[in-house]
Amino acid sequence: TQLLEQSPQFLSIQEGENLTVYCNSSSVFSSLQWYRQEPGEGPVLLVTVVTGGEVKKLKRLTFQFGDARKDSSLHITAAQPGDTGLYLCAGGGSEKLVFGKGTKLTVNP
Amino acid sequence: EAGVTQFPSHSVIEKGQTVTLRCDPISGHDNLYWYRRVMGKEIKFLLHFVKESKQDESGMPNNRFLAERTGGTYSTLKVQPAELEDSGVYFCASSQDLYQPQHFGDGTRLSIL
Repeated sequence: TQLLEQSPQFLSIQEGENLTVYCNSSSVFSSLQWYRQEPGEGPVLLVTVVTGGEVKKLKRLTFQFGDARKDSSLHITAAQPGDTGLYLCAGGGSEKLVFGKGTKLTVNP
Repeated sequence: EAGVTQFPSHSVIEKGQTVTLRCDPISGHDNLYWYRRVMGKEIKFLLHFVKESKQDESGMPNNRFLAERTGGTYSTLKVQPAELEDSGVYFCASSQDLYQPQHFGDGTRLSIL
């Protein structure tokens, strides 16, 4: 059974700080997605990483896929209150997705 | 374009009753997925349709759950009879093909009393 472990589970920081969220597995994934979910809504795709070692940037968000395609990280620079939400990593892409439990991020003004 | 639509957004029923959840995928998306998140757990895969055919139903918990996708358009997920452990948020997602990302609906929050 493929599992994805996300850490930390909860993160509360001040506006302007940097943070990193981790997503780790003992399994190799063909691709990995990062989603963001707001209360009462469904997950919204932020990025897909496919190649080992791949780095993608989305404004202040930087996503990295591990060389062995077993882990990924999400780094946010100068966090803003609008970044508050639940961040989910999900492995696999073509069929069923395997999700981590998520990191609940709160950015305080 | 309209996103994935799920109905109802909330449902509260008593143990032993029947509930049917509906998902309308994005128009033209052949792939439709059902997922579920129970409290304190991660979102878990239930099943995958390609058009009207069940491609993978390995995540369906038991035979109290029945999913259909007649005509390859909208899908329904029926729980009969509902048990307490069925409470959670049921998400539907769709994708154009297997190489495109999955787009999620806002989910149906199901509470079994």
